[in-house]
Amino acid sequence: QKEVEQNSGPLSVPEGAIASLNCTYSDRGSQSFFWYRQYSGKSPELIMSIYSNGDKEDGRFTAQLNKASQYVSLLIRDSQPSDSATYLCAVSTGTGNTGKLIFGQGTTLQVKP
Amino acid sequence: DTEVTQTPKHLVMGMTNKKSLKCEQHMGHRAMYWYKQKAKKPPELMFVYSYEKLSINESVPSRFSPECPNSSLLNLHLHALQPEDSALYLCASSQLRPDYEQYFGPGTRLTVT
Repeated sequence: QKEVEQNSGPLSVPEGAIASLNCTYSDRGSQSFFWYRQYSGKSPELIMSIYSNGDKEDGRFTAQLNKASQYVSLLIRDSQPSDSATYLCAVSTGTGNTGKLIFGQGTTLQVKP
Repeated sequence: DTEVTQTPKHLVMGMTNKKSLKCEQHMGHRAMYWYKQKAKKPPELMFVYSYEKLSINESVPSRFSPECPNSSLLNLHLHALQPEDSALYLCASSQLRPDYEQYFGPGTRLTVT
């Protein structure tokens, strides 16, 4: 069974702090890694994708991937109350003609003013 | 443009009704997906279409019937649903290579009475 594990939280950080969200996965064949943000009652929104080891930065977001440790993380700098949401880690093996995603359970982030 | 549209936004149906959910994308993506999401759970994959052909059926009951009329459209036909089928139904689309980034529509909130 291919699995993606996340701490469900809630993770509570003060406004302006760095929020660190973590994810581990079981399938060493995984090739593509994604972070989605989901506000309550809304659909998931893709915020970061990462495919190779190291860091990828986009604005206040940094995704980090370590394939040897089967670990992917998301850092949110200068956290804002509007970042309060559930963050879903998703992993794809992307084999053949399918892009099947395996989702973690999601981490709820609360940013307190 | 990373927009996937879904209609209707909300749907209430009885257990003997037949209804359809619709999804459309104009990003030139060749893969389209149906997911089901229950409250406080991650999206759960139902079907994947690759090049307008069904490539994955995650053992979904036959009361759910997908259809892909062309590369931009995806339908989900519903018949004789159960109250436990009430959920948020999400459509997504992606390129198949190289990155498999999936973009979600806003979803249809389905209530079965």
